[in-house]
Amino acid sequence: GAGVSQSPSNKVTEKGKDVELRCDPISGHTALYWYRQSLGQGLEFLIYFQGNSAPDKSGLPSDRFSAERTGGSVSTLTIQRTQQEDSAVYLCASSLLVEQFFGPGTRLTVL
Amino acid sequence: AQSVTQLDSHVSVSEGTPVLLRCNYSSSYSPSLFWYVQHPNKGLQLLLKYTSAATLVKGINGFEAEFKKSETSFHLTKPSAHMSDAAEYFCVVSAPGAAVNKLTFGGGTRVLVKP
Repeated sequence: GAGVSQSPSNKVTEKGKDVELRCDPISGHTALYWYRQSLGQGLEFLIYFQGNSAPDKSGLPSDRFSAERTGGSVSTLTIQRTQQEDSAVYLCASSLLVEQFFGPGTRLTVL
Repeated sequence: AQSVTQLDSHVSVSEGTPVLLRCNYSSSYSPSLFWYVQHPNKGLQLLLKYTSAATLVKGINGFEAEFKKSETSFHLTKPSAHMSDAAEYFCVVSAPGAAVNKLTFGGGTRVLVKP
C-alpha cells in the first residue's frame, strides 16, 4: 500500500511569511509524528498525535509552530512568521505499533 | 528521559571490508532500539529494530545489530560493505512504556565507501 506522503517536497519562502506543510499518514495508523532535521540540531521531535487524544506538543520550538490533525488522518504543520533558523527538512511519520514509517520530508528554505 | 550517542560522526571503509557503527543509549524505560538509514535526498528507511526479543537482530541488506544491556550499546555491523551502503545512519531509541512513543535520534554517522 501507499506509504507516508508529504507535500510540498520543497518550499522556499521569505522571512516573515507563514507556511503550511502537509502529511498524509499510512491509512489506519493511529499515531502521527512530526520531526525536524536541520544541520545544527540533527533530528528532533516536534509534536505527536495519538488517536483523539490531546497532542503532545513538547517538542515545538516556539509558539510560531502549530499542528493539526483532522479526522484522525491528514496533518498540517503551520509555521507563522518564518525565520531563517526555521530552514530545515520537516519529516512526518506514522505508526500503528512501535515502528514508525517516515515520509520523504519537506525541505523548507527561508530566505 | 532517553538519549542516544553515536560515537563516530564519519566512518570510511573500503568496499568488501566490515562496517561497524557504534551506538550507546540511555533510557528510563525498557527501550526499543532502531537503526535507520538515509540516502542522499531520500527519506529515512528502517534497517532493523530491537523490541525486547532476540538480542541479535538481523535487518535488511546484510546489516545486523546486537543489543547489550550491560554495555547499553546497540552497535550496527555488516561483514562486507557495498558501494550502495554509502549513506547516513541513525541510531534511535524509543520508550514504548512511556506516555509518548517519540523517537530520540543519535547525531548520525555518515558512511563513505571507497572502491
